[in-house]
Amino acid sequence: EVQLLESGGVLVQPGGSLRLSCAASGFTFSSYAMSWVRQAPGKGLEWVSSIFGRSASTYYGDSVKGRFTISRDSAVKTLYLNMNSLRAEDTAIYYCAKGISDYSSPFDSWGQGTLVTVSS
Amino acid sequence: EIVLTQSPGTLSLSTGERATLSCRASQSVSSNFLAWYQHKPGQAPRLLIYGASSRATGIPDTFSGSGSGTDFTLTISRLEPEDFAVYYCQQYSSSPRTFGQGTKVEIK
Repeated sequence: EVQLLESGGVLVQPGGSLRLSCAASGFTFSSYAMSWVRQAPGKGLEWVSSIFGRSASTYYGDSVKGRFTISRDSAVKTLYLNMNSLRAEDTAIYYCAKGISDYSSPFDSWGQGTLVTVSS
Repeated sequence: EIVLTQSPGTLSLSTGERATLSCRASQSVSSNFLAWYQHKPGQAPRLLIYGASSRATGIPDTFSGSGSGTDFTLTISRLEPEDFAVYYCQQYSSSPRTFGQGTKVEIK
């Protein structure tokens, strides 16, 4: 059974930094694309970033490009999101999601999410 | 960037009725790389349809997807109580991989 467990969400001040983690199990982690998707309070889903499997190519949404960095460590089956220069509008539940293939693909498994609050 | 516009914003229906949700793209979605998700409050989103018309594992055949190019549709043939939720379309043919704004299916 695929399991994704996010952690690292906290209250942080504007301009601060944070690293989210997503521990994966139940599948061959290195063989699948992984992504982060967020949902701000009262809003819809917003794709944040994706990283492919074997190539580790990375992609970012315009609102986070240059501030967030996605990475993965296949040895410990963990996905990361390094978040810098945080803004109030980054406040959201952040979901980790698994793709159905190694490259661009929809997300067939999701974690329960971790809440990031950016406020002074 | 491909902008996805979903309609209607809210659909008020009764159990047993048919639901038809629309997703229109600002430009053609290549290879019909269009997915649909169901999202309930406090839960993780759930993949329903990918490739515009392929059902994901475990999804009942009351859910079906159709369309190509710029116009896509999600149909729920007979609404069950557990189907009342928010539904999102998403394109994964180009970056950024955008979502629509969602359609809420509520109990009438």
